[in-house]
Amino acid sequence: AQSVTQLGSHVSVSEGALVLLRCNYSSSVPPYLFWYVQYPNQGLQLLLKYTTGATLVKGINGFEAEFKKSETSFHLTKPSAHMSDAAEYFCAVSALGESGGSYIPTFGRGTSLIVHP
Amino acid sequence: NAGVTQTPKFQVLKTGQSMTLQCAQDMNHEYMSWYRQDPGMGLRLIHYSVGAGITDQGEVPNGYNVSRSTTEDFPLRLLSAAPSQTSVYFCASSYSAENTEAFFGQGTRLTVV
Repeated sequence: AQSVTQLGSHVSVSEGALVLLRCNYSSSVPPYLFWYVQYPNQGLQLLLKYTTGATLVKGINGFEAEFKKSETSFHLTKPSAHMSDAAEYFCAVSALGESGGSYIPTFGRGTSLIVHP
Repeated sequence: NAGVTQTPKFQVLKTGQSMTLQCAQDMNHEYMSWYRQDPGMGLRLIHYSVGAGITDQGEVPNGYNVSRSTTEDFPLRLLSAAPSQTSVYFCASSYSAENTEAFFGQGTRLTVV
């Protein structure tokens, strides 16, 4: 079965510093990979996704992630953190043949990003 | 454009009561799913549907039922509520297998006392 591991339940950075949120996945077939963001008391919204093609994908709000098959990783980065980036971030994986033959995604446990002024 | 609509937003139940969480989407999406979110556990899949009349179990299906009689609606039924079902519930939908971006509702915060 597919799975996702997010390293670090909390990541703390200063405003203007690099953001790095780590995600490793497990899948027996080529995966689709996603990062979602959740602001307090809201649902999740898509930041970016990798399906096929270019392994470096850019998303909204200046975030990007790189798919590294050899490392089974899909880490999320942003060069300069802003106070408004403080939120919960979820990595997700989906693949055909997993979850009973559908692409229903499996989510990681989430990483809370804390941004200090 | 409403997207994915969940009702109610908040609910308190007594142990043993039953209720239905409603989820509706107006994007003509084939795939719909229910997740529960608990602190430190991320989102865990309860049930999902890949089209009207087709449902299947996810990771944590016990105590929940679903049906999908129309493309738009995917209600989640709690048969006999237990304190362990206290959680935030999210409904999500996506267009198809090839376009798998999930759109989420705002969530239902359920407390079982």
